[in-house]
Amino acid sequence: KAGVTQTPRYLIKTRGQQVTLSCSPISGHRSVSWYQQTPGQGLQFLFEYFSETQRNKGNFPGRFSGRQFSNSRSEMNVSTLELGDSALYLCASSLGQVDNSPLHFGNGTRLTVT
Amino acid sequence: KQEVTQIPAALSVPEGENLVLNCSFTDSAIYNLQWFRQDPGKGLTSLLLIQSSQREQTSGRLNASLDKSSGRSTLYIAASQPGDSATYLCAVQGDTGFQKLVFGTGTRLLVSP
Repeated sequence: KAGVTQTPRYLIKTRGQQVTLSCSPISGHRSVSWYQQTPGQGLQFLFEYFSETQRNKGNFPGRFSGRQFSNSRSEMNVSTLELGDSALYLCASSLGQVDNSPLHFGNGTRLTVT
Repeated sequence: KQEVTQIPAALSVPEGENLVLNCSFTDSAIYNLQWFRQDPGKGLTSLLLIQSSQREQTSGRLNASLDKSSGRSTLYIAASQPGDSATYLCAVQGDTGFQKLVFGTGTRLLVSP
């Protein structure tokens, strides 16, 4: 079974631009969540989608947004990029029911903002 | 607001040693606690998940315990190997059950041959 796939692996953007990151969950998984990882703040929850609906949202500005498609694939978008948005962005998928299924993470997209 | 802390921040041991990593959390209203490992430049690999009603979980050389009332979990690694070198992260899932994890700060482990 293929794991969680994130594209692209690396991205370099300049301040003010926008970026879209993509995540394909494990087949059959309906929940996709996104995390930002930085050396200073560690891993922080961005948002979670289940059946195309945002079910949970972290404490990030409105420049960060996401969506989920009917095939459970998800995208996140960051507009008006700032230097502080440089981070590893991780996507995780799970079955999505309110249960104790573990999260499966992708290898992330490394975003550098110059 | 849930806060998760891990001690120590870094650990260096010779191969073969048994070791314990610690995780503490401030809000005991959790659904489960999960331990992950992260290799440099990679994503997270799930190691163990302990449901809030459980006391411990075992997988191979790994054993994780949970004391929800005191807000503590430990990850025990037996007979450590160089391949165990990685950053270990604990994370708690809130009692809504939705997939929002609050992560600890991590313990960077180095096992020397």
